[in-house]
Amino acid sequence: SQTIHQWPATLVQPVGSPLSLECTVEGTSNPNLYWYRQAAGRGLQLLFYSVGIGQISSEVPQNLSASRPQDRQFILSSKKLLLSDSGFYLCAWSNVRSGYTFGSGTRLTVV
Amino acid sequence: AQSVTQLGSHVSVSEGALVLLRCNYSSSVPPYLFWYVQYPNQGLQLLLKYTSAATLVKGINGFEAEFKKSETSFHLTKPSAHMSDAAEYFCAVRRVAASGTYKYIFGTGTRLKVLA
Repeated sequence: SQTIHQWPATLVQPVGSPLSLECTVEGTSNPNLYWYRQAAGRGLQLLFYSVGIGQISSEVPQNLSASRPQDRQFILSSKKLLLSDSGFYLCAWSNVRSGYTFGSGTRLTVV
Repeated sequence: AQSVTQLGSHVSVSEGALVLLRCNYSSSVPPYLFWYVQYPNQGLQLLLKYTSAATLVKGINGFEAEFKKSETSFHLTKPSAHMSDAAEYFCAVRRVAASGTYKYIFGTGTRLKVLA
């Protein structure tokens, strides 16, 4: 069966520090991968999606970037975190048959 | 472009009472619609989905939703609320990009509180 792993679960980082959040999928090949951010009172915002290795589409301009070095690995990064980057980050995968499946999320607090 | 609007960011119901969470959609093509539930500090779990088959869709945990094209609505209901239903609920519509990739566009969420 397919599973999605996301880590870490929580992270506290100082302003100006780098960020790397990782998401991996098991049990499927060539999934579409997504990063969403959930800020308090603002619902879910799609940040990036990827349809294949090295293919990244950005939905909104921001301080973050994404990479897909392997078929089932999706990484969210920042060189220098801002206070406004705080939020709950969710990775998701999909294929035509399955629809969306979400990871358990990472709570990022920038201090 | 497709979008959804959730009316009411917070809803409170008594245990045993009817749950009604509202979602209206905007779409120029027949939409695929979804309801997700999120418990604190967890990911989203699919409750149910509408994919142009039956207009009344039954999901997990006793929830159901009815697709009403004339009202452009897809409201989520449950006849009798349980304390364990307290969570945040998101309505979503599937949007297909020019490349053929599809992505889900979410509403801003409704936090359901169940009162004892």
